[in-house]
Order: sequence, then C-alpha cells, then structure tokens
Amino acid sequence: QSALTQPASVSGSPGQSITISCTGTSSDVGGYNYVSWYQQHPGKSPKVMIYDVSNRPSGVSNRFSGSKSGNTASLTISGLQAEDEADYYCSSYTSSTTLVFGGGTKLTVL
Amino acid sequence: QVQLQESGPGLVKPAETLSLTCTVSGDSITSYYWSWIRQPPGKGLEWIAYMFHSGKTNHNPSLKSRVTISVDTSKNQFSLKLKSVNTADTAVYYCAREHYGTGRFDPWGQGTLVTVSS
Repeated sequence: QSALTQPASVSGSPGQSITISCTGTSSDVGGYNYVSWYQQHPGKSPKVMIYDVSNRPSGVSNRFSGSKSGNTASLTISGLQAEDEADYYCSSYTSSTTLVFGGGTKLTVL
Repeated sequence: QVQLQESGPGLVKPAETLSLTCTVSGDSITSYYWSWIRQPPGKGLEWIAYMFHSGKTNHNPSLKSRVTISVDTSKNQFSLKLKSVNTADTAVYYCAREHYGTGRFDPWGQGTLVTVSS
C-alpha cells in the first residue's frame, strides 16, 4: 500500500489559518469516513487531533478542524499559535482493512 | 486514564528477531483493537499491525511475512515480533490503542528506540 500524500511543509504567521492536505485514492481516503490527523512535537508521541474526518476528541482546541472532498482530506488550523508548530500526519482506513499514514507535514509558525 | 508502556531490547543484531511488549493500564485489553506503529529516525509514521483479543489481526502488507502480533489477556499485554531484521528496521516503535480498525490511535505509548546493528 502507498503512503497518503501530504505536503512536506507549510507555514503561517500567528493568528493566520493554514490547511494541510492529505491525498489518497478511492480505496482509502475517498472511500471511507475514517481519516484521522495526528500532531507530533519533537521527541514526543503523536496525539490525535481529528478522527473520522471531522470529529475532535475531548480536550482538543476547536481551532483544529477536518474535512474531506473526494480523495483528499484536509486539516485546518485557525488562529495559529506558536505551540502549533509540529509535524502533522494523516491516517486512513483502506479497502484491504489495513491502515495507512501520510508522509507527514512540518508546520512552521513564522 | 489509559496508559501504554513499551518494553524490550534496544539493540538487535541483523537477521535476528525483534521482540517488544506493550503493557496496558487503565483499560482492559479485551476492549478495542491494539496496534504497533514505527517511526525511523527523522522519518514518518508506518503502521505495522493491529489485533483484537479474539485473535483477529491485520498487518501492513509490506511487513506481513515477518510480523507476528499476539496478546496475553492475563497480563493485559500485547506483543510484537519482527523477524529477520535489518538496518532499515531501526526505528522508534510505538504501541497504541486503536478504535476498531478506523485508524484512530489514542492513546499512544511513549515509544521505544530499537537499533538494528551488529
């Protein structure tokens, strides 16, 4: 199975909004509403920020939101803060009942 | 509060078998799916496998022939064995609770670095 496609890096200034894309196929992202997003700070374990495309776990800021159109899912972070600087990964269920991650996106807060 | 803790050797020789255990506290291992994920130094995440206590498992096709995942319900633990390792298997290995095959991994263990080297 191939990794989902994410941009290697994105950047934004404090207070701005950014969007990270996650592109797959109709056999994964496009075929199921099982896309999750993870935030990983250096040296730390990943933390789920969004699950099932657009649901936020308890305790995650409402500045984080998720959506999907066709074979591409998106994570939007509004009101960027310095603490948002991290690596972000998407994951998806696949038609083979396996799971696959994206390659990761490094978010820089300018 | 659910917590997961990985344990096992930090150094494995090429061609040998990597063995790790994840101890779960705060939840029963008979609930949810349980998964292994790895991250080579400086690289992205790679899903390895998940399992349910009933014995249902699934694996990353790229690793399937080398991976065995098992559960010990009496100890509330699950384990990973990866055979015939090589330097490309050097990574931080994480265990995580997984929500029934949907790809929602939550929570994660702290991770353990396994280096493959002679």
